[in-house]
Amino acid sequence: GENVEQHPSTLSVQEGDSAVIKCTYSDSASNYFPWYKQELGKGPQLIIDIRSNVGEKKDQRIAVTLNKTAKHFSLHITETQPEDSAVYFCAASRAARQLTFGSGTQLTVLP
Amino acid sequence: NAGVTQTPKFQVLKTGQSMTLQCAQDMNHNSMYWYRQDPGMGLRLIYYSASEGTTDKGEVPNGYNVSRLNKREFSLRLESAAPSQTSVYFCASSERGTSGPGELFFGEGSRLTVL
Repeated sequence: GENVEQHPSTLSVQEGDSAVIKCTYSDSASNYFPWYKQELGKGPQLIIDIRSNVGEKKDQRIAVTLNKTAKHFSLHITETQPEDSAVYFCAASRAARQLTFGSGTQLTVLP
Repeated sequence: NAGVTQTPKFQVLKTGQSMTLQCAQDMNHNSMYWYRQDPGMGLRLIYYSASEGTTDKGEVPNGYNVSRLNKREFSLRLESAAPSQTSVYFCASSERGTSGPGELFFGEGSRLTVL
């Protein structure tokens, strides 16, 4: 089955700096890569996703890049703000299969 | 909009006791899921129901059973709780597309402690 590894497990950045979280996956047939944000005491919420026919996708301060050859994808958050502090999960799947999640990254944005 | 509602939010059990976690969604989604979240291990799929009337095992199904009561409701049962089942449980729903599970909408979680 699919295996998704996520790094780092914790990340602290100064407010206004950028944050990058990286994930690798094992199944070369995976074609859907979402990112979820989990705020304290809440369930995860989708923030951005990318499909394998696209190399990069942006939504305001958030971007995701995908390298299919190397089987890795990354989340980039620019101009970080205190409300970006949360746990972030990457995931991967292919058609007719369920999502496999990474182990999560605790992002802390320091004022 | 309630979205996905889970009950109870907190529960403490003794080893060997049984309990059922309830989940309901009001988005008319076909697919529903139960995940558990443990520190350093992300979200692991226990069981899922692709559509009303069907259920399938996920990555970690041992010790659990599920029931898709109708399109709205999907319950998770622990028949004989063990300390290893101490975790935070999340129910989710989605409108599955042909290319994959689609966006998952999660409940707020149920924190279960087994003593």
